[in-house]
Amino acid sequence: SQKIEQNSEALNIQEGKTATLTCNYTNYSPAYLQWYRQDPGRGPVFLLLIRENEKEKRKERLKVTFDTTLKQSLFHITASQPADSATYLCAPPRDDKIIFGKGTRLHILP
Amino acid sequence: DAGVTQSPTHLIKTRGQQVTLRCSPKSGHDTVSWYQQALGQGPQFIFQYYEEEERQRGNFPDRFSGHQFPNYSSELNVNALLLGDSALYLCASSGASGAYEQYFGPGTRLTVT
Repeated sequence: SQKIEQNSEALNIQEGKTATLTCNYTNYSPAYLQWYRQDPGRGPVFLLLIRENEKEKRKERLKVTFDTTLKQSLFHITASQPADSATYLCAPPRDDKIIFGKGTRLHILP
Repeated sequence: DAGVTQSPTHLIKTRGQQVTLRCSPKSGHDTVSWYQQALGQGPQFIFQYYEEEERQRGNFPDRFSGHQFPNYSSELNVNALLLGDSALYLCASSGASGAYEQYFGPGTRLTVT
């Protein structure tokens, strides 16, 4: 069956360090993958989209990689800040539907 | 420019009742998708509307139905509510491509007792 797995339910990172979140998908090959941020009680907010022919994409302190061989995307936040604390969702679409992973709750510790 | 709006914010219903949730898309968007998000889970795709037609559907029973109006706003209807329908219901809008960057509303928190 087709699955999306995000590396852990929660991740604690010291302020200033780089946070790395993992998204693995199985049994299908999305043409692109999206990452969203969700704060408690609010809707997700789009962050980045990376296509299958792009190895890496950057936006300010965010960097996303997409390895179609490993079926994995890595999401990095450099120089992390307490305001980066949130749940991060990966969304590799399947059959033109946006399918979300469970998310990783990131806590940046001051 | 208003983003995606949803109403109501919160709703409490009794098992067996019916509920209607409403969504207005971001200006310029014509595609609306609905998601159900249970506590601690990622959003689950219910269906997507484009040009007043249901274009895609997720793995949800027929108790979940929807509608899109000519002004692109949308409704989600759930009949014969079950306790398990308690969740945050999210509406997202996007451009004609539908499957790319989506803008989400704040959601409607539905509690079924």
